[in-house]
Amino acid sequence: GAVVSQHPSRVICKSGTSVKIECRSLDFQATTMFWYRQFPKQSLMLMATSNEGSKATYEQGVEKDKFLINHASLTLSTLTVTSAHPEDSSFYICSATGGQSSGNTIYFGEGSWLTVV
Amino acid sequence: GNSVTQMEGPVTLSEEAFLTINCTYTATGYPSLFWYVQYPGEGLQLLLKATKADDKGSNKGFEATYRKETTSFHLEKGSVQVSDSAVYFCALRNTGKLIFGQGTTLQVKP
Repeated sequence: GAVVSQHPSRVICKSGTSVKIECRSLDFQATTMFWYRQFPKQSLMLMATSNEGSKATYEQGVEKDKFLINHASLTLSTLTVTSAHPEDSSFYICSATGGQSSGNTIYFGEGSWLTVV
Repeated sequence: GNSVTQMEGPVTLSEEAFLTINCTYTATGYPSLFWYVQYPGEGLQLLLKATKADDKGSNKGFEATYRKETTSFHLEKGSVQVSDSAVYFCALRNTGKLIFGQGTTLQVKP
């Protein structure tokens, strides 16, 4: 069964609104979570890395104020797309690892489809 | 820097054909190497991994060997099935982050 769960799996929002995507680790404590964005038929682009209890580290070119990432607990990280626009429509995937406690394995969520209309 | 390059797709094969998807990497130090599979509309699933040179990862009939001398981690399967149709991503992990290749689409026809 899934060890990392994302919610919602699909969301449609209006342009200008904000939308939150949750990523939960189910079987382990996720000390580090990663957020990716994937455009159709393209690879995954790492957006940011978040460690529990500290600020996320964003990759170059990713707007921190637009993509708010919170990792307040060892089982939950959230990505909030603020003031969403149609170009933010994409597939967002989170992944998580507990370090040695999870065998240093990175587990992926099922992904969340965001459509901004 | 770290990067992963995969052969371009799509790769189209008939059922029971032999599969090879090439993957080469550039990295500092000694990365771990992975193959992930993504079925349509879904997230990524770890297919196999290798953590050091000459290690062979295997799962569900797929294999890949970590070749340090050629900086490669080619994915192979002796006999593909229609259910293997998916996008395959090669990835490396060096400084905690996973770096992905561009993905290769595999289409298996009955």
